[in-house]
Amino acid sequence: QKEVEQDPGPLSVPEGAIVSLNCTYSNSAFQYFMWYRQYSRKGPELLMYTYSSGNKEDGRFTAQVDKSSKYISLFIRDSQPSDSATYLCAMTKGGGSYIPTFGRGTSLIVHP
Amino acid sequence: SQTIHQWPATLVQPVGSPLSLECTVEGTSNPNLYWYRQAAGRGLQLLFYSVGIGQISSEVPQNLSASRPQDRQFILSSKKLLLSDSGFYLCAWRYPSGSPYEQYFGPGTRLTVT
Repeated sequence: QKEVEQDPGPLSVPEGAIVSLNCTYSNSAFQYFMWYRQYSRKGPELLMYTYSSGNKEDGRFTAQVDKSSKYISLFIRDSQPSDSATYLCAMTKGGGSYIPTFGRGTSLIVHP
Repeated sequence: SQTIHQWPATLVQPVGSPLSLECTVEGTSNPNLYWYRQAAGRGLQLLFYSVGIGQISSEVPQNLSASRPQDRQFILSSKKLLLSDSGFYLCAWRYPSGSPYEQYFGPGTRLTVT
């Protein structure tokens, strides 16, 4: 079993839909949870981060962590064609040299 | 502000040829530096990281090597490329005492080994 599991998709939705992207993990020591957005042929950029459990909202994006279930989610409201990208979850225990563990990424396509 | 550069942007090399990819960071001192490889549908694989000049940690045994000759320069090399070395190579940096969630990626180098 991989430490972080993420469905690669692709996930295709119409413009304006609510998108739910998810990752599961097996290591209960993970404390910091991140979501990166990666456009085609570009480097990933940090989109959102959360510490421990709970929700965090930033505009149309909401990150949610459920440590008891070892499950994290990213919700995108009112999705736009410009949201079409690959979304990677990442997580780390924190401290030391900082070595995050990444999911495979989910490809999202928002069509007009 | 900080900027990270990688070159070349794309590279096509025959099997058995050498490789040298370069990464430089501007606007910060003593960053932690990372090399990742992203193969199609396989996520990001950490290859090397460095916390200072001449200090390299290898995560995956393979025919690649890394060097850090200057504070803000990180080089990925190979003496003889394999077909399996094809992929998207990403350099990243972070502040050594920064937040655990902060890591900044470069634009990447797409390598195709033929």
